[in-house]
Amino acid sequence: QAQLAQSGVEVKKTVGASVRVSCKASGYIFTSHGVSWVRQAPGQGLEWMGRINPHTDNANYAQKFQGRVTLTTDFSTSTAYLDLWNLKSDDTAVYFCATELKLNALEPWGRGTLVTVSS
Amino acid sequence: QSALTQPASVSGSPGQSITFSCTGSGSDFDNSNYVSWYQQRPGEAPRLIIYDVNYRPSGVSGRFSGSKSGNTASLTISGLQAADEADYYCSSYIRGSTVVFGGGTKLTV
Repeated sequence: QAQLAQSGVEVKKTVGASVRVSCKASGYIFTSHGVSWVRQAPGQGLEWMGRINPHTDNANYAQKFQGRVTLTTDFSTSTAYLDLWNLKSDDTAVYFCATELKLNALEPWGRGTLVTVSS
Repeated sequence: QSALTQPASVSGSPGQSITFSCTGSGSDFDNSNYVSWYQQRPGEAPRLIIYDVNYRPSGVSGRFSGSKSGNTASLTISGLQAADEADYYCSSYIRGSTVVFGGGTKLTV
């Protein structure tokens, strides 16, 4: 059964810092499916950030996050990473990773990592 | 850049059928067959319930169905149950290999 395990329940950062969230896949061949990252600010909706193909390491980013987000993978540990730079207070959100069953079909999802950014 | 608009809330009674709408603002959505719907209960991660407009993943109840006409995609839940109370998000793959989500609809049963 495919599963995604995300690092930590909550991470606290200050404005201007960077954060790395990890997402370890199990139960399927890691390079067979893309991984998308989606965030959700408190009380708000879902926001797609980007996706990466673990087979090619090719990544696509939402225009809003271009230049501030980097997605990478580690084939040896079946882990995907999201790095978000120059944090702002409105980056406070739960960050989810999700497996792409196929194009724009995300399942399963990790349980989410809350990133809290304060000054 | 396409945007997807969903009503903020809908409500229904047990046993009823209810339909959620998701309206796109650009031609990318009009031409997209990669429309998905997600259910998110409070405190939980989203769950895929419809993909490719009208396909259900294994394990998703047949009470959920999807459709699309022009710039509007729809999700219908038949035989509404209390357990269906959740937020529902539509999503579409658009040009540039990117994905956009609608703002979500809160269902009250």
